[in-house]
Amino acid sequence: KQEVTQIPAALSVPEGENLVLNCSFTDSAIYNLQWFRQDPGKGLTSLLLIQSSQREQTSGRLNASLDKSSGRSTLYIAASQPGDSATYLCAVRPDSSASKIIFGSGTRLSIRP
Amino acid sequence: GAGVSQSPRYKVAKRGQDVALRCDPISGHVSLFWYQQALGQGPEFLTYFQNEAQLDKSGLPSDRFFAERPEGSVSTLKIQRTQQEDSAVYLCASSSGLGVSYEQYFGPGTRLTVT
Repeated sequence: KQEVTQIPAALSVPEGENLVLNCSFTDSAIYNLQWFRQDPGKGLTSLLLIQSSQREQTSGRLNASLDKSSGRSTLYIAASQPGDSATYLCAVRPDSSASKIIFGSGTRLSIRP
Repeated sequence: GAGVSQSPRYKVAKRGQDVALRCDPISGHVSLFWYQQALGQGPEFLTYFQNEAQLDKSGLPSDRFFAERPEGSVSTLKIQRTQQEDSAVYLCASSSGLGVSYEQYFGPGTRLTVT
């Protein structure tokens, strides 16, 4: 059974720092992996999606990497800003036929001004 | 048009009551998903519709949970005889393609509190 783990559960850093959020999954046979952002009382916003054949994806100050063989993904945030404060969720799709995606519990990020 | 909308945004139910949660997907989106998110946890898959067909309901926790999408657009998640463990945020997502190959767009969720 695929399990997705995110460490740490919470992280607080001062504004301007670069930071890395970690995601690990138990079954390396995934179809794709996605990072989401969730603000309090709001739905999820997709940040980056990495197909299993890709190693990384970039969008602005965000860079996500994928190492399928080791079952790991990282989300790198450069030059953090208070507006980056949110919960970041990692999710994997097990295979091309699966109708579900499996989420981690998230990392709650707080950027201190 | 606009994004995915859900109503009500907040619902308080007494244990034993039935509730109905509504999801309006993005117009034209064929796929619709329901998730349950407990406090401090990630969303967990409940069920998936492709147009009006419910293709996967493996995540529904019990037979008290029922979902429908009769015309392939609006969907309703119904919970009968609510219990305290049903307290959670219920998220709806839709996508333009079939299955999860396409990006899912999430609604703001309905926070259900069972007292």
